[in-house]
Amino acid sequence: ELKVEQNPLFLSMQEGKNYTIYCNYSTTSDRLYWYRQDPGKSLESLFVLLSNGAVKQEGRLMASLDTKARLSTLHITAAVHDLSATYFCAVDITSGTYKYIFGTGTRLKVLA
Amino acid sequence: DSGVTQTPKHLITATGQRVTLRCSPRSGDLSVYWYQQSLDQGLQFLIQYYNGEERAKGNILERFSAQQFPDLHSELNLSSLELGDSALYFCASSASGTKVPGELFFGEGSRLTVL
Repeated sequence: ELKVEQNPLFLSMQEGKNYTIYCNYSTTSDRLYWYRQDPGKSLESLFVLLSNGAVKQEGRLMASLDTKARLSTLHITAAVHDLSATYFCAVDITSGTYKYIFGTGTRLKVLA
Repeated sequence: DSGVTQTPKHLITATGQRVTLRCSPRSGDLSVYWYQQSLDQGLQFLIQYYNGEERAKGNILERFSAQQFPDLHSELNLSSLELGDSALYFCASSASGTKVPGELFFGEGSRLTVL
């Protein structure tokens, strides 16, 4: 059974600090996606990583993908309160069609 | 605005009842996915349609069914509702079907409360 695990599940950090969220998955896939969700809201696409070694950056967030290790990271640099949200990674599986499996989510709270 | 439209946004009903959730994908997207998100939980994949055909099934209960119509909108039918069915139901669409991968674009969700 495919598993997509994120850690930590909860993260409380001070503004200005750096931290990394990890996403491990248990099957072969070259594609990984990161999404952000504010409480009670929809999911917003952050990054699309389509190959081994892919690195994408947007503002204070940087995502990378290592398909050999089946690991993606979302690095937060100098966190600000506005980054408080839940972050999900998702892997897509090609078994005749595309099925996206989401990780458990990491709830991030940035304290002022 | 992702371009994916879901209705209704909120729905309150009683146990044993049946409801229908509707989703219109982004213009041109052929794939529709349904997900269930219970309180403080992750996203559970329910079902996927591509151009009117069911393509993948996840943890969808037998009391739930879905379909995608010729105009590509999709409906998720939930019947014999139980308290545990209370959740946020998301629809997402993508351009991909069986050939080209792509990110999912999510609607705002339909919040179902079963009393």
